Amino acid sequence: GEDVEQSLFLSVREGDSSVINCTYTDSSSTYLYWYKQEPGAGLQLLTYIFSNMDMKQDQRLTVLLNKKDKHLSLRIADTQTGDSAIYFCAGTMEYGNKLVFGAGTILRVKS
Amino acid sequence: GAVVSQHPSRVICKSGTSVKIECRSLDFQATTMFWYRQFPKQSLMLMATSNEGSKATYEQGVEKDKFLINHASLTLSTLTVTSAHPEDSSFYICSARDHRETYGYTFGSGTRLTVV
Repeated sequence: GEDVEQSLFLSVREGDSSVINCTYTDSSSTYLYWYKQEPGAGLQLLTYIFSNMDMKQDQRLTVLLNKKDKHLSLRIADTQTGDSAIYFCAGTMEYGNKLVFGAGTILRVKS
Repeated sequence: GAVVSQHPSRVICKSGTSVKIECRSLDFQATTMFWYRQFPKQSLMLMATSNEGSKATYEQGVEKDKFLINHASLTLSTLTVTSAHPEDSSFYICSARDHRETYGYTFGSGTRLTVV
């Protein structure tokens, strides 16, 4: 089955860029996702990338996908204090039915 | 975009009682919904996949009789935690697959269950 791993903690200064990394095992995942979770809240879809793409940019967010290494990253430019949250990468298994999540990366932004 | 409403957001119940959590897709039909459980500072663990009009598919290690799932309509799935115990205290989140979007999984806002 799908196994998704990511770094657990990242601390950055306000205004700097943040890069959160993720590796996965199941290459059949059609889409790969980044979700944001604030304390006590549900998950907010930040962005996603189709598996045949290498890069996707959406305002301050840039997703890079290296299919050969099965590595996914999320770059947040000009990180703000409001970006402090837990970030989960996720991929699908069983041909697009179930979402499997990484452990989550806690992003702390210092002002 | 797609919206999933989950209620209640927070519930406290006594040991031995049952609690029902609702998950509704507000502006789309969801033939498939998912129920996750999240322990503090941990990731989301998929509990079961709920299919409209049929029995839910449970993940390994999840007790079917403990966590009853009903997906009676295309917009509503419910999770009932039966005979709740303190170890059932957790954050439960539902998700619905929006088939209008090929990539779409929309999440509810979660339910914090505390069993005392």
